[in-house]
Amino acid sequence: GQNIDQPTEMTATEGAIVQINCTYQTSGFNGLFWYQQHAGEAPTFLSYNVLDGLEEKGRFSSFLSRSKGYSYLLLKELQMKDSASYLCAATDSNYQLIWGAGTKLIIKP
Amino acid sequence: ETGVTQTPRHLVMGMTNKKSLKCEQHLGHNAMYWYKQSAKKPLELMFVYNFKEQTENNSVPSRFSPECPNSSHLFLHLHTLQPEDSALYLCASSQGVESYEQYFGPGTRLTVT
Repeated sequence: GQNIDQPTEMTATEGAIVQINCTYQTSGFNGLFWYQQHAGEAPTFLSYNVLDGLEEKGRFSSFLSRSKGYSYLLLKELQMKDSASYLCAATDSNYQLIWGAGTKLIIKP
Repeated sequence: ETGVTQTPRHLVMGMTNKKSLKCEQHLGHNAMYWYKQSAKKPLELMFVYNFKEQTENNSVPSRFSPECPNSSHLFLHLHTLQPEDSALYLCASSQGVESYEQYFGPGTRLTVT
């Protein structure tokens, strides 16, 4: 079957760095998305990886290893506003998104 | 209005009621989606429309009935729902159904009593 695994919850300190991991099993693969969702709000797009390697976008970076079925989202210089859920989603051979349950990130001062 | 809008934002309905959720996108996208989001569960894709044609129906019960009159509007008609249908219903749009980022509306928080 198709599956996405990511940790349920993580805690980090303001100003620090945190890495949120995601492993996926899909029938075919056409890329991996990361979305951010603040409580009570809509998910918003953060990144898309289809090739192996690291994509950097400001304080956020996303990494993909297709051979390992693995991705991570790296958040640097954490701010209180980064407290949110981070959703990992892989695109299968039919371009359907398979979603993880999300990782709730708690930032402490 | 910009982006993706949804109405109503909150809805409480009885199991015998009929109601509709509305979604409108102002982005010129061709694909629209309905998702169900329950607490601590992955987003569940319900329906996909591409150029007004339904391309996915992920085994959704018939008490949920989608309608897509044009590429900008999407409805979800609800009737004889069950308490377990209580959830956040999110609408999204994207340029196409292939690997494009999706833009989400704020959602409708539905409570079935």
